[in-house]
Amino acid sequence: GAVVSQHPSWVICKSGTSVKIECRSLDFQATTMFWYRQFPKQSLMLMATSNEGSKATYEQGVEKDKFLINHASLTLSTLTVTSAHPEDSSFYICSSIPGGYNSPLHFGNGTRLTVT
Amino acid sequence: RKEVEQDPGPFNVPEGATVAFNCTYSNSASQSFFWYRQDCRKEPKLLMSVYSSGNEDGRFTAQLNRASQYISLLIRDSKLSDSATYLCVVNIGGSYIPTFGRGTSLIVHP
Repeated sequence: GAVVSQHPSWVICKSGTSVKIECRSLDFQATTMFWYRQFPKQSLMLMATSNEGSKATYEQGVEKDKFLINHASLTLSTLTVTSAHPEDSSFYICSSIPGGYNSPLHFGNGTRLTVT
Repeated sequence: RKEVEQDPGPFNVPEGATVAFNCTYSNSASQSFFWYRQDCRKEPKLLMSVYSSGNEDGRFTAQLNRASQYISLLIRDSKLSDSATYLCVVNIGGSYIPTFGRGTSLIVHP
């Protein structure tokens, strides 16, 4: 089946530093990549939708200058958390729809970010 | 009203029990429906798609009721390993963005 590879699986960084999370589609072309964030015991929250070759669409309340999304190729999308702070500590997950609109989402395995 | 709603639970059931979850959606133009399972600190994994005629996969049965705008998931003979959060996902008609319910927590105890 379609595979979305996400890394790193976990990262610990100091406050003020930037962290890049990568998601690669291994056996399909990911025209669209969805980025989610999940805090403990809460539901997945969509942060942004990125389309290859164009600017990402951010959900209300998500700072586009803080969460930089790049989707320069059909197999790679990245999320960079800039100037991370402890409140950015969360579980970040990417996903895509390999089979078209009516097909299920395939998720990366997530990145657990801890900012100290 | 949220576009996709689920009872957060938790549903606390003994091993061997049958348990059912519902998920309601507000947009009648919704086109495709899925159930995912999410374990603690892990990514969601597809459990099953939901087809108009209903479908079954082992102990799991999914059904769609378009008239009442809900989907359901039935788990028979619950196992301890079924303990997880179950998410329903709806592809809303006219939108390319899958919409999640907040998830229903299931705890199966011995």
